[in-house]
Amino acid sequence: AQSVTQLGSHVSVSEGALVLLRCNYSSSVPPYLFWYVQYPNQGLQLLLKYTSAATLVKGINGFEAEFKKSETSFHLTKPSAHMSDAAEYFCAALTGANNLFFGTGTRLTVIP
Amino acid sequence: NAGVTQTPKFRVLKTGQSMTLLCAQDMNHEYMYWYRQDPGMGLRLIHYSVGEGTTAKGEVPDGYNVSRLKKQNFLLGLESAAPSQTSVYFCASSYGAGSRLKSSYNEQFFGPGTRLTVL
Repeated sequence: AQSVTQLGSHVSVSEGALVLLRCNYSSSVPPYLFWYVQYPNQGLQLLLKYTSAATLVKGINGFEAEFKKSETSFHLTKPSAHMSDAAEYFCAALTGANNLFFGTGTRLTVIP
Repeated sequence: NAGVTQTPKFRVLKTGQSMTLLCAQDMNHEYMYWYRQDPGMGLRLIHYSVGEGTTAKGEVPDGYNVSRLKKQNFLLGLESAAPSQTSVYFCASSYGAGSRLKSSYNEQFFGPGTRLTVL
């Protein structure tokens, strides 16, 4: 069965610093993996997705994620944090029924 | 395109009352989903539908019912609300379950959410 684990419910970074949000998956087959972002009082917006075409996936707003099978990881990164990146981020894996299994989320705070 | 819309945005119920949340999408998507979001638990799937007239249970279906009478609408009902159902509810839709060549079919588009409080 698909599942994802997000390490760290809260992450704080200074403006301009590297953003690293961690996600590990558990699966017996290569999964479809997603990162979603949720801004305050809004719905979820897709940042990027892994579908086995390339291990390094580029998304919107300068974010990217690298699929590492050996580590069963799909960590989200951004070289330089901006104040507008403050939000909650969710990693998700697609199940066989096209349902998403979400991680518990990581709230990113950007310190000016 | 309005995308995915949800009605209402906020609602307060008393224990035992009933209500229906409406989700509508104008993207001609086959699949629709209802999730609930609770602090520290991420989003959990309540029910989903793979097409008009079909529904299926998700991870946390107890206490909820759904209907998909029209392709563009997916209704979530609470027959007898309980304080444990206080949550933010999100609807989503997608084209369907595509092959790896049609991975865009898997992408789910989310509505803005409904904040429900049960007293």
